[in-house]
Amino acid sequence: SYELTQPPSVSVSPGQTTSITCSGDKLGDRYAYWYQQRPGQSPVLVIFQDTQRPSGIPERFSGSNSGNTATLTISGTQALDEADYYCQAWDRDSVVFGGGTKLTVL
Amino acid sequence: VQLVQSGAEVKKPGASVRVSCKTSGYTFVSFGISWVRQVPGQGLEWMGWISTYNGNTNYAQNLQDRVTMTRDTSSSTAYMELRNLRSDDTAMYYCARDWGASSPKYFDYWGQGSLVTVSS
Repeated sequence: SYELTQPPSVSVSPGQTTSITCSGDKLGDRYAYWYQQRPGQSPVLVIFQDTQRPSGIPERFSGSNSGNTATLTISGTQALDEADYYCQAWDRDSVVFGGGTKLTVL
Repeated sequence: VQLVQSGAEVKKPGASVRVSCKTSGYTFVSFGISWVRQVPGQGLEWMGWISTYNGNTNYAQNLQDRVTMTRDTSSSTAYMELRNLRSDDTAMYYCARDWGASSPKYFDYWGQGSLVTVSS
C-alpha cells in the first residue's frame, strides 16, 4: 500500500518561513493535499491539488509537489499557525494520510 | 455547508456503533462522504468512502470486514456502522465531504467529530 512520510515535528520563530515535507514514491505524479488540525478541532483543508488554497486560507500558506516530495510552506508564520499538519494523497480507490507534523511556533 | 454528527457513544467490546452525519448547505448527491478516525493523540486514518449518488463504497482494507457505510438521500445523511468493536477502536470519528464522485479524493468540509469509547 502507498505510504506518506512526514517529520514528526518542526519548530519556527514567529514571522519566519517554515516548510513541512511529505515524502512518497513518485508523489509528484499524484496530487497532494494538506490539512491543519488545531488541538481539539476538526481538520481544515489548507492546500488542495498541490498548490491551490481554498477560500479563506491565508496567502501565507503555499504548496508544491515534485519528484518524491510535497512541501507545505508557511510564510510569516504566526502563533495561530501552531497545529498538526497532515499531508494526504489518493491511491486508486483509497486515501492515504501522512503521519502528521506538529508545528511549534516558539 | 455543514456536517453535523451524532453524539458521543460508549460501547462494550464486541458491540456495534452507528454514527450519523447530517449534511446541509449543498446538494448532497453531488459529493461523496468519507469517514476518517483519529485515536487520541495519534494521526488521521481514512476508513472509507461512499458515493452519495449511488451508494457505492470503498473501504480501507483493514476495516472492510467490520465497517458498513450507507446514506439516506431523503435526509441528506450518511451513516457509518462499525461492528465487533475492540478497545483500539476508541477514537474520534469524523465524516467529511469528499470531492470524489466515483472514488475518494479529498475533503473540504468536516463534521465536528463523534467520540466512540470502547470499554468493558
